[in-house]
Amino acid sequence: GNSVTQMEGPVTLSEEAFLTINCTYTATGYPSLFWYVQYPGEGLQLLLKATKADDKGSNKGFEATYRKETTSFHLEKGSVQVSDSAVYFCALSGDSNYQLIWGAGTKLIIKP
Amino acid sequence: GAVVSQHPSWVICKSGTSVKIECRSLDFQATTMFWYRQFPKQSLMLMATSNEGSKATYEQGVEKDKFLINHASLTLSTLTVTSAHPEDSSFYICSARDLGQYSNQPQHFGDGTRLSIL
Repeated sequence: GNSVTQMEGPVTLSEEAFLTINCTYTATGYPSLFWYVQYPGEGLQLLLKATKADDKGSNKGFEATYRKETTSFHLEKGSVQVSDSAVYFCALSGDSNYQLIWGAGTKLIIKP
Repeated sequence: GAVVSQHPSWVICKSGTSVKIECRSLDFQATTMFWYRQFPKQSLMLMATSNEGSKATYEQGVEKDKFLINHASLTLSTLTVTSAHPEDSSFYICSARDLGQYSNQPQHFGDGTRLSIL
């Protein structure tokens, strides 16, 4: 079945550092891929998405490229800020009922 | 657009009480809504898929008599935690599928409800 694997956290970085959070997936067919962000005590917000191979999703300085050959969708940001501290979830959708398959989440801590 | 309102955002109640959580799509119609449960520092666990006008589909291990789901209209789904006990304390999140969106569009999420049972 479909699954998503994320790198374990927490990931702790200094402000302005480069960020990579790895995400790989297993899926049949051609899933859509998503990154969601959850700030402390809040619900989930869609950060970015990609719907086909080689698509690059981007938002708020974050970006991720849909790599079918490596079944990956790694999240990157060139210079993180303290306000980026949150939990990041990678997810895929390939089901006709639009269910999302979730990664375990990666907590990101940015220190000033 | 595509706003999902979840209410209440936080509830504390005594053991044995039943608690109802509402999930509303404010500016779109949602034939399908999802209910998730999130334990501290963990990912989301899908509890059930709610389809308007029909019975919800529960995931394995979720007690349908404990977690009653009603999806009576295209804009409202409710989750009732019946006779809640401390082990039901958790963060519950709903999401809605926009009827007008392409099949590869994401679900739209509510802000979650933090349930604490004393």
